Amino acid sequence: KAGVTQTPRYLIKTRGQQVTLSCSPISGHRSVSWYQQTPGQGLQFLFEYFSETQRNKGNFPGRFSGRQFSNSRSEMNVSTLELGDSALYLCASSFLTSGGNTGELFFGEGSRLTVL
Amino acid sequence: QQQVKQSPQSLIVQKGGISIINCAYENTAFDYFPWYQQFPGKGPALLIAIRPDVSEKKEGRFTISFNKSAKQFSLHIMDSQPGDSATYFCAASRKVGGATNKLIFGTGTLLAVQP
Repeated sequence: KAGVTQTPRYLIKTRGQQVTLSCSPISGHRSVSWYQQTPGQGLQFLFEYFSETQRNKGNFPGRFSGRQFSNSRSEMNVSTLELGDSALYLCASSFLTSGGNTGELFFGEGSRLTVL
Repeated sequence: QQQVKQSPQSLIVQKGGISIINCAYENTAFDYFPWYQQFPGKGPALLIAIRPDVSEKKEGRFTISFNKSAKQFSLHIMDSQPGDSATYFCAASRKVGGATNKLIFGTGTLLAVQP
């Protein structure tokens, strides 16, 4: 069974640009979450999608947005990039149902974004 | 109140020894406490998890001890091996009007097991 696939794995952008990151969840997983990982702030929750609906959003500015498609694939977008947006962006999928408890998150290997 | 505090920041253990990592939380609404293991260049992977209705859960060499009254939980790695060298994250979550996968992570512990 294929794991969570994130593309691109590495990318370099300059301040002011925008970036789109993609995530393909494990087949059958309908929940996709995004996390930002930095040495200073650790792992921080960005947002969570289930059946194309955003269920939760973390404390990030509106420059960070995401969406989920009918096939459960997800994208996140960061506009007007700042130096501080340099991080590893991790996508995670799970079997979470509409009424279920928190379940195991399966993480991808991440997209490492460098903002110059 | 949303924080999960993790200690120590780093840990060096001899092969065969016991590794202990501690976490503390404030929010009594948390109802799921997983531990994730992360190797360099990889995403975190679930190691073991516990819910507050039990005080201990063991899976192989890994044990979670949970103290609800103290709002603390810890990971014990018995017979630590060099292959256990990784960063370990504790986390917590709670249902918010339904299901959620929003995890609040601790700051991580870099474990080095010396041969």
